[in-house]
Amino acid sequence: DTGVSQDPRHKITKRGQNVTFRCDPISEHNRLYWYRQTLGQGPEFLTYFQNEAQLEKSRLLSDRFSAERPKGSFSTLEIQRTEQGDSAMYLCASSLSNLQGAHNEQFFGPGTRLTVL
Amino acid sequence: SQKIEQNSEALNIQEGKTATLTCNYTNYSPAYLQWYRQDPGRGPVFLLLIRENEKEKRKERLKVTFDTTLKQSLFHITASQPADSATYLCAPNNAGNMLTFGGGTRLMVKP
Repeated sequence: DTGVSQDPRHKITKRGQNVTFRCDPISEHNRLYWYRQTLGQGPEFLTYFQNEAQLEKSRLLSDRFSAERPKGSFSTLEIQRTEQGDSAMYLCASSLSNLQGAHNEQFFGPGTRLTVL
Repeated sequence: SQKIEQNSEALNIQEGKTATLTCNYTNYSPAYLQWYRQDPGRGPVFLLLIRENEKEKRKERLKVTFDTTLKQSLFHITASQPADSATYLCAPNNAGNMLTFGGGTRLMVKP
């Protein structure tokens, strides 16, 4: 399977614990995105990487959230001191930009469902 | 602030009929608009992209229109099938790399 993969698919944690999610994008894609989705809502943008550089962060991304893409391939999203309000589906997507910066489609992974007790 | 509205109520139609979903946006002028399909427990899947200078775009049984005056996009599925049952998300966007999604409309096609 050459699509976007995410690990784990489900995570249950207690409030105050730290969690880390991993995303493996489609191999030739240079852009990687993180979104958060709650029930009945559309995905909300969190942050975006072009290769290894984190270029954009949403105001939703509090200082408890950090994302990395160290070698421009896989990415991790860490949430420190989790709160019940962090419970959501965390989606990763990747895309391939062309020289003109066209708005190409994004390919989403299956998501990691986080439940904070 | 920019706002994207999709009908939050589920759309129930009979197999074989045409489903029409609406996406309205306010307070901005997107250069393009994407439609995605999302099944329960899965990530969204890209369906179509339409640009502001395109009035209509088709792909197999799908048709999307983009009216920049009305600030509205319509998404049509002709000859609908039960397998088309899913949530459909619109994402009107400007230059930039993140996508801003509407809340989605759930479509139920009954056999």
